[in-house]
Amino acid sequence: QKEVEQNSGPLSVPEGAIASLNCTYSDRVSQSFFWYRQYSGKSPELIMSIYSNGDKEDGRFTAQLNKASQYVSLLIRDSQPSDSATYLCAVISRDGSGGSNYKLTFGKGTLLTVNP
Amino acid sequence: DAGVTQSPTHLIKTRGQQVTLRCSPISGHKSVSWYQQVLGQGPQFIFQYYEKEERGRGNFPDRFSARQFPNYSSELNVNALLLGDSALYLCASRAPHFSMNTEAFFGQGTRLTVV
Repeated sequence: QKEVEQNSGPLSVPEGAIASLNCTYSDRVSQSFFWYRQYSGKSPELIMSIYSNGDKEDGRFTAQLNKASQYVSLLIRDSQPSDSATYLCAVISRDGSGGSNYKLTFGKGTLLTVNP
Repeated sequence: DAGVTQSPTHLIKTRGQQVTLRCSPISGHKSVSWYQQVLGQGPQFIFQYYEKEERGRGNFPDRFSARQFPNYSSELNVNALLLGDSALYLCASRAPHFSMNTEAFFGQGTRLTVV
């Protein structure tokens, strides 16, 4: 099982619609979860972080976390063409060394296209 | 304040050569991580350093090495380059304390092409 899995996409939505991006993770002790946006040819840009179960809203973005189901999602309301990008889910997980070290593990990303 | 800066932005190397990539973290950040991102994939963890000590290593061969300097900047070295090392190399900077609940901010990356 992959550590962080995302919908393979691509996901296409019309302008003004809600885009829903999903992510599951395998490490049950993970505590920190992040969503990054990456435009083609650019580096990832942090858009949301969430640490507790429930919803966290920031402008048009809402992150949702359910630790029991090991599931995190990102909703983008009123989607705009400028939201077209790859969205990366990232999870803090143990690095496998057995110690206290950890790493940020990414999913493959979901390509979102917002059509005008 | 300047963000995470990486140099160079683009690099072309020949198979078998060695390369050094550089990263300066956000001012006040003491943790630096390196990631490799090949086309169509998410970033893969290579190394993490905090206070000049290695604090994590991903599943990469020994041809990959890194270090962190007293000013918290970092270098990633790759020896005996292979075509498969062609990728975007990303450096991430984290808050001053070593904690799971800190956000990582990325530099613009170094695009390495091995021919």
